[in-house]
Amino acid sequence: QSVLTQPPSVSGAPGQRVTISCTGDNSNIGAYYDVNWYQQLPGKAPKLLIYAYSDRPSGVPDRFSGSKSGTSASLAINGLQAEDEADYYCQSSDNSLSSSYVFGTGTKVTVL
Amino acid sequence: QVQLQESGPGLVQPSETLSLTCAVSGGSISSSYWSWIRQPPGKGLEWIGHFYYSGSVNYNPSLKSRVTMSADSSKNQFSLKVSSLTAADTAVYYCARRGTTRALDIWGQGTMVTV
Repeated sequence: QSVLTQPPSVSGAPGQRVTISCTGDNSNIGAYYDVNWYQQLPGKAPKLLIYAYSDRPSGVPDRFSGSKSGTSASLAINGLQAEDEADYYCQSSDNSLSSSYVFGTGTKVTVL
Repeated sequence: QVQLQESGPGLVQPSETLSLTCAVSGGSISSSYWSWIRQPPGKGLEWIGHFYYSGSVNYNPSLKSRVTMSADSSKNQFSLKVSSLTAADTAVYYCARRGTTRALDIWGQGTMVTV
């Protein structure tokens, strides 16, 4: 049972902007634990996309961006491309679970 | 460039214990925290736990009673054991490195385990 809630799916046409929300509470995102985002292409292992709310690892295009507000975080994809079609997961920690890592429910991004 | 490779039995009988290994190449196991994550078919990611080679561990409370993580520094690899298996443990199991940012920055390709 995930404590971080994401929309099951979002979609957009190539070139559009889409955003994915990750809703938590005061024991995880609201407790100032970092939020990280992962991209999972079909049949592949997850890949780190955003760390510490808004930082990008080397090699991740700058059209991916992250933000946080209160007990929620968001991932935005600007200039959506066909290769962005994947599952996206947020991840944080939770002090009600002994600071265990927790993942979001996951969001499928479809490029129309 | 650190790379991770999981290995395991593929098929395990109910009530038995699963043993998986993650081989680390391109870096030392003593320099990071290491994690296990699993993903049931068609479902989301579930964090199993992480540990530091010196013995510090943190397990998912929902799995804590059945999980053990350990390291073999001589082989530069680490292991996961999950006991009392049921069909609900059927999943792709991933090993990953917890980087200095505390994000899971390097992942293995995953290994499918069917109970």
